[in-house]
Amino acid sequence: AQSVTQLGSHVSVSEGALVLLRCNYSSSVPPYLFWYVQYPNQGLQLLLKYTSAATLVKGINGFEAEFKKSETSFHLTKPSAHMSDAAEYFCAVLNRDDKIIFGKGTRLHILP
Amino acid sequence: GAVVSQHPSWVICKSGTSVKIECRSLDFQATTMFWYRQFPKQSLMLMATSNEGSKATYEQGVEKDKFLINHASLTLSTLTVTSAHPEDSSFYICSAPWDREWNEQYFGPGTRLTVT
Repeated sequence: AQSVTQLGSHVSVSEGALVLLRCNYSSSVPPYLFWYVQYPNQGLQLLLKYTSAATLVKGINGFEAEFKKSETSFHLTKPSAHMSDAAEYFCAVLNRDDKIIFGKGTRLHILP
Repeated sequence: GAVVSQHPSWVICKSGTSVKIECRSLDFQATTMFWYRQFPKQSLMLMATSNEGSKATYEQGVEKDKFLINHASLTLSTLTVTSAHPEDSSFYICSAPWDREWNEQYFGPGTRLTVT
């Protein structure tokens, strides 16, 4: 069964520093992978998605993620963190029943 | 882009009462919608799949008689929490697939339910 694992429930970075949020997937077939962001008391916003078209996926707000099959990873990065990036980030995979399965989430803290 | 709305955004009810939450796709038709619940500081857990014109399918461990789902039209699905108890207090979020390949879903803003 498809699943994702997010390493680190909390990540803190300084403003202007590199953001790296880790996600590893488990899938027996080429997966559809997603990163979503959730601001407090709000729904989810799609940051980017991987659908096998390109291994490096660029999303909104300067985020990007690279699909690495050899490492079964889909880590999310942003070169320079901004205070407004503080939020909860979810990695997710589309399973065979067309259902999105979420990781446990990583809360990103931005230090001034 | 596609928009999914939910109503109400926030509701408080007394234990034992029922609460209805609406999920609407505003500019596209959704034959399928998904309902999730999210406990504080936790991930989203899929509860059920709402299918227009047919019965909803529930995930393992979700009580179908407690969480009634009705997909009355191509733009509206409702989740009714029956005989609500404090442990049902949660953030409920719906989503709808956008394109035919279903590799993108749009999420509603969520409904915060507090049962007192």
